[in-house]
Amino acid sequence: EVQLVESGGVVVQPGGSLRLSCAASGFTFDDYTMHWVRQAPGKGLEWVSLVNWDGSRTYYADSVKGRFTISRDNSKNSLFLQMNSLRTEDTALYYCAKDLLRYGGSSFDYWGQGTLVTVSS
Amino acid sequence: QPVLTQPPSSSASPGESARLTCTLPSDISVGRYYIHWYQQKPGSPPRYLLNYYSDSDKGQGSGVPSRFSGSKDASANTGILVISGLQSEDEADYYCMIWPKNGYVVFGGGTKLTVL
Repeated sequence: EVQLVESGGVVVQPGGSLRLSCAASGFTFDDYTMHWVRQAPGKGLEWVSLVNWDGSRTYYADSVKGRFTISRDNSKNSLFLQMNSLRTEDTALYYCAKDLLRYGGSSFDYWGQGTLVTVSS
Repeated sequence: QPVLTQPPSSSASPGESARLTCTLPSDISVGRYYIHWYQQKPGSPPRYLLNYYSDSDKGQGSGVPSRFSGSKDASANTGILVISGLQSEDEADYYCMIWPKNGYVVFGGGTKLTVL
């Protein structure tokens, strides 16, 4: 059974930093592109970032480019999101999601339960 | 970046069909893209339903009933999710998604489907 378990969400002040983690199991982690998607309270889904299967390629939404860094540790079946210079508009539930394909470009077939990040003074 | 337009709400009665739309901006053609669809119920993460490029190139999520299907209307530049034989459990938010370019993903704003 595929499982994605996010952690690391807390309340942080504007300008602060945070590192989210996603522990993956039930599939061959290093065979797939992975994503972070967020959802602000009461709002829709917003794609945040992706990393390809071996970590050599990363992409970001314009809203987080230069502030967030995605990475993965295939030896530990883990995905990460380093979030710096946090803003109140980054407040959201952050989901880890698995791509259908090794190189990305397809659907997100499995999602975690999410971890809540609140940016507030 | 492109904006995918979904009606904020839709409704239909049990047993009927619901047709949820996802309209692409006029400068990009729906015929060039896979349309990916997700269902989200309150308090739960999104669930992958299906993707659709053409009748001969499409995919269904694991365990997703065949009464969920995709299509396109090229004249309206729109991707369509059809849910036939509506059930009360289908009441949820539905999101479409595309990859407008390599390394970039866009979601629609979502449609809240009410089963009357």
